[in-house]
Amino acid sequence: QKEVEQNSGPLSVPEGAIASLNCTYSDRGSQSFFWYRQYSGKSPELIMSIYSNGDKEDGRFTAQLNKASQYVSLLIRDSQPSDSATYLCAVNLGSWGKLQFGAGTQVVVTP
Amino acid sequence: GAVVSQHPSWVICKSGTSVKIECRSLDFQATTMFWYRQFPKQSLMLMATSNEGSKATYEQGVEKDKFLINHASLTLSTLTVTSAHPEDSSFYICSARDARDIQYFGAGTRLSVL
Repeated sequence: QKEVEQNSGPLSVPEGAIASLNCTYSDRGSQSFFWYRQYSGKSPELIMSIYSNGDKEDGRFTAQLNKASQYVSLLIRDSQPSDSATYLCAVNLGSWGKLQFGAGTQVVVTP
Repeated sequence: GAVVSQHPSWVICKSGTSVKIECRSLDFQATTMFWYRQFPKQSLMLMATSNEGSKATYEQGVEKDKFLINHASLTLSTLTVTSAHPEDSSFYICSARDARDIQYFGAGTRLSVL
């Protein structure tokens, strides 16, 4: 059973601070990794995709990938109340682009 | 980013009726689309993988005769919940895979079966 694991949270972050989210996966053959944000009652929206080891930055978001450790992380800098949501880590299983999702980490940014 | 349109956003129906949900990729062609279901406070559950021009592949435990999927074109997939019952009430979400293997999600359909 291929698994993707995340801390469920909630992760409470003061406004303006850095939120750090972690994700581990079991399938060593995975090549594509994604972070989605899901607001309560809404569908997921893509934040980042990452394919190579190292860091990838997009605005206030930085994704980090370490395939040897089977670890993906997401940093949110200068956290805003609008960042309060559940963040889903997803790993491509290679079969028609099927994704394995983690259970999600709830982030709460407090003013 | 790519846009995926899903309709309707809300549907209320009587027990025993069928409901059709449409999922369209608006600015890209999607050979593969996916259908998910999400219950409150739970994670996404993949129901089926829909490939254009072929039969859908259903996940274990999902009744293919109850959840009919049609992927007739590169931009449209439909999910029909047949003979819906209150236990089918849920949030149904589609996604479409683009050429870079990235899934973009529709806005979801909230189904309430009375």
